[in-house]
Amino acid sequence: DAGVTQSPTHLIKTRGQQVTLRCSPKSGHDTVSWYQQALGQGPQFIFQYYEEEERQRGNFPDRFSGHQFPNYSSELNVNALLLGDSALYLCASSLNGLSYEQYFGPGTRLTVT
Amino acid sequence: AQSVTQPDIHITVSEGASLELRCNYSYGATPYLFWYVQSPGQGLQLLLKYFSGDTLVQGIKGFEAEFKRSQSSFNLRKPSVHWSDAAEYFCAGINTGGFKTIFGAGTRLFVKA
Repeated sequence: DAGVTQSPTHLIKTRGQQVTLRCSPKSGHDTVSWYQQALGQGPQFIFQYYEEEERQRGNFPDRFSGHQFPNYSSELNVNALLLGDSALYLCASSLNGLSYEQYFGPGTRLTVT
Repeated sequence: AQSVTQPDIHITVSEGASLELRCNYSYGATPYLFWYVQSPGQGLQLLLKYFSGDTLVQGIKGFEAEFKRSQSSFNLRKPSVHWSDAAEYFCAGINTGGFKTIFGAGTRLFVKA
């Protein structure tokens, strides 16, 4: 049973560029949430996708956008990268639009230079 | 505003000694509460969760947590720590019916021989 997978593992980008991160949920899960974890901090909720729609967004600017595909996989896009966007980006999947039992992927480490 | 607070940034415990990690929450109503563990370079693993009922919950790896409504706390405990328990521990909460999980800043556990 495959768990949550994320790609790429690591990524280095330059300020002003755009980046796309990908997530495949745990088998059978239909809900994907994205989190940003800056160094030394807890994960911060970016948004959640269920039935291909964004259900709730955390305190993140519109530069952060996402998408969910019919197979429940998801992408996180960040435009106009800032140095402060450097972080570990975590994807979590769950079932039926609930967030009570989330399974996390290993994350994508994004470095913006 | 809703929040989850972990007062201790880091804790050092001798192997075989008992452990207690503190967590306080601030929500309008009692949230669902969780403890996660994160090893270096890894995603988050759920240790245990509290939804309702018995205030002492058992989790994986020998961990337990006690919910105390009067103190707005959900402290994590383990009677005997092993060197492999060295990691970062996060307390988290979510409103009943909510989509957004709020994490504390984490407590780094060091285990000394």
